[in-house]
Amino acid sequence: DAGVTQSPTHLIKTRGQQVTLRCSPKSGHDTVSWYQQALGQGPQFIFQYYEEEERQRGNFPDRFSGHQFPNYSSELNVNALLLGDSALYLCASSSSPTGGNQPQHFGDGTRLSIL
Amino acid sequence: RKEVEQDPGPFNVPEGATVAFNCTYSNSASQSFFWYRQDCRKEPKLLMSVYSSGNEDGRFTAQLNRASQYISLLIRDSKLSDSATYLCVVIMNTGFQKLVFGTGTRLLVSP
Repeated sequence: DAGVTQSPTHLIKTRGQQVTLRCSPKSGHDTVSWYQQALGQGPQFIFQYYEEEERQRGNFPDRFSGHQFPNYSSELNVNALLLGDSALYLCASSSSPTGGNQPQHFGDGTRLSIL
Repeated sequence: RKEVEQDPGPFNVPEGATVAFNCTYSNSASQSFFWYRQDCRKEPKLLMSVYSSGNEDGRFTAQLNRASQYISLLIRDSKLSDSATYLCVVIMNTGFQKLVFGTGTRLLVSP
C-alpha cells in the first residue's frame, strides 16, 4: 500500500522561474493538502484540494496555485520564484476534507532551492 | 501572537533522562491535537494524538488542558533515537481539515 508520494525529491531554480511539484495521495485518500516548511520553522498550510477544487487556502500569494486531477493526484505551481520560496514543500493526504479530525500523513517532500 | 507556540529548544539531555515539551494554542475552538516527530531533512510523522484524559504510548505521555489551551509531551527514559524535532499540531474548527503547526522543539539526546 503506497503512502503519499512526491516528486521531484530535490529541485534547484533561479529567481523569476516557475516550478511545478507533484503529489500522489495515499491509496483510498481523496483530499490533498500542501504545506511549505522553511528552515527552522514548522510547516505552513498553503491550500487544500478536494473534488478537483481548492477548498481552503492559507496566507500565501496568488503566485502559489494548484490543481487536482480526477485520480486525486495534485500539483503545486509557484510562479515568479523568489529567494524566500526556498523551502521543503510537503504534501499530505486524507480520506475527506474534514478528515474526521484524523491526522494527515505526509509525503517525503520536495526540497526547493532558489538561487 | 502565533496560533501554536512552542519553545524551539534545543533541549540537550543525557540518555535515560525524562524530558517534557510544552505547547500553547490561541484558538479556543481548536478541535484536535497531535504531536508529530520530524527527523532532520525528513517529513513529519505522527507520534501520537492528544486527548483531554491524557494518553500514554510506551515511554511517551501526552496531555491536553483545554482550559489553559496547553498541550504537553513527556518522554521518559530518553534514547539516542529520540533525537528529533517534536512538532505540536492543532486542527482548527474551520469545517475543513487544516493542520496548524508549531515551530517545533528540537531534542538532542546524548550518550
